[in-house]
Amino acid sequence: NAGVTQTPKFRVLKTGQSMTLLCAQDMNHEYMYWYRQDPGMGLRLIHYSVGEGTTAKGEVPDGYNVSRLKKQNFLLGLESAAPSQTSVYFCASIQNRENSYEQYFGPGTRLTVT
Amino acid sequence: GEDVEQSLFLSVREGDSSVINCTYTDSSSTYLYWYKQEPGAGLQLLTYIFSNMDMKQDQRLTVLLNKKDKHLSLRIADTQTGDSAIYFCAESRHNNAGNMLTFGGGTRLMVKP
Repeated sequence: NAGVTQTPKFRVLKTGQSMTLLCAQDMNHEYMYWYRQDPGMGLRLIHYSVGEGTTAKGEVPDGYNVSRLKKQNFLLGLESAAPSQTSVYFCASIQNRENSYEQYFGPGTRLTVT
Repeated sequence: GEDVEQSLFLSVREGDSSVINCTYTDSSSTYLYWYKQEPGAGLQLLTYIFSNMDMKQDQRLTVLLNKKDKHLSLRIADTQTGDSAIYFCAESRHNNAGNMLTFGGGTRLMVKP
């Protein structure tokens, strides 16, 4: 049971390039989330998904797209990277509403956009 | 909107107690959490408290919740150098998105030997 995994761990992009961050969980969790972490600002929710095939916007969705084609995977896409998207990205998942006191976090992806 | 505030930095000596404070604004919070983040790592859930509780103790950790003042604290007894990390307070609400968390900016705890 690997929990929540993220790939890649590190990436450097040039402005305007695109990339996809992959989050995978093997706990059969329904809900998945993408956050970004910037210094002194805690974690801010980008997008989330309440189940396979569904996505919704969080607090800071602009410049990002997501897809949840399979229950275990939640992809975060940057179509045209900007320096303001330099951040550490965390994925998280929880099981369902009735048993959802803990969000399980992945180890993070550190992205630098030059 | 919701807001969670924490002080940025705390320094203590090894063996002393540490108290990290947090204030929040959303009175409908269901759970309140403390997460620990070590350098280069993800967030590790330390403890949580349900909003109808006043206190929760778990080994060296004591969580106090003052719901009237919307104030949450984490006390670490006998602080060790391995406790040096960033500590995040978070509050949650249950809605159609499951367990939506709002995080504070984190408190960096430095433990001096």
